[in-house]
Amino acid sequence: AQKVTQAQTEISVVEKEDVTLDCVYETRDTTYYLFWYKQPPSGELVFLIRRNSFDEQNEISGRYSWNFQKSTSSFNFTITASQVVDSAVYFCALGNISSGSARQLTFGSGTQLTVLP
Amino acid sequence: DAGVTQSPTHLIKTRGQQVTLRCSPKSGHDTVSWYQQALGQGPQFIFQYYEEEERQRGNFPDRFSGHQYPNYSSELNVNALLLGDSALYLCASSLALYRDAEAFFGQGTRLTVV
Repeated sequence: AQKVTQAQTEISVVEKEDVTLDCVYETRDTTYYLFWYKQPPSGELVFLIRRNSFDEQNEISGRYSWNFQKSTSSFNFTITASQVVDSAVYFCALGNISSGSARQLTFGSGTQLTVLP
Repeated sequence: DAGVTQSPTHLIKTRGQQVTLRCSPKSGHDTVSWYQQALGQGPQFIFQYYEEEERQRGNFPDRFSGHQYPNYSSELNVNALLLGDSALYLCASSLALYRDAEAFFGQGTRLTVV
C-alpha cells in the first residue's frame, strides 16, 4: 500500500520569508512519481512540480525548489521569498508508474500555508 | 483552450437519493479520473476511465459508478447517498499516450448530503 504523510497541518510565514513543506512517502514500488499540487480556495488542484524516482537531482524552478531524498523517502518543497498569493493548501502526491500513471495518485492530507503581508 | 470543466459547481441532496456529476476533460485528453476530497483531507482516488471503460478503481463501494462517452466526457454516479458522501468531487484529465504527464484538475463539484 502507498502512503503520503504531511506532518505540517498549518504553517504561517511573513511575506518574503522562505518556507519548506515536508513530505514523507511509503511505497513498495521501485519506480514512481512524486508531485506537489497547490489548491487555492477555488478548489482546483494546480500542478507545481513532478519528480521521477530514478532521478534524484534537485532543481530550482523560479521561486520553487525541491529536495528529493530516496534514502529517507522524503520529497520536501521550498518556496523562496514567499508572497501573499502563495497562500493555499499544498498537497504532496505519489503516483505509480507501472499502473500507467501519473493519473492514479495517492495524496497526503495537505499543509495549509498562510503568507501574511 | 478550455481546461477541465465540471458541473454543477454545488449540489445539495437528501440522504438516500442518487446524484450524477459531470466532467469535460481538457481538449485533447482521453483519460478521466475521479477523486473524492472530504473536508480537511487530501483527495482520494475513486476510479479512472479510458476508452469508455473503467480501468482502475480505488477503495470505493459499488454505489459509486461512472461512465465515459465517445467524446471523452465522463459522469460520476453515486447511489443511495450517505451523509459521509458529502465532499468535493474532483475530476482530472490526462492523455494516455504520455504516461508520465501530469493530470489537470477541474474546480470540482461540492456535494452536500443532508
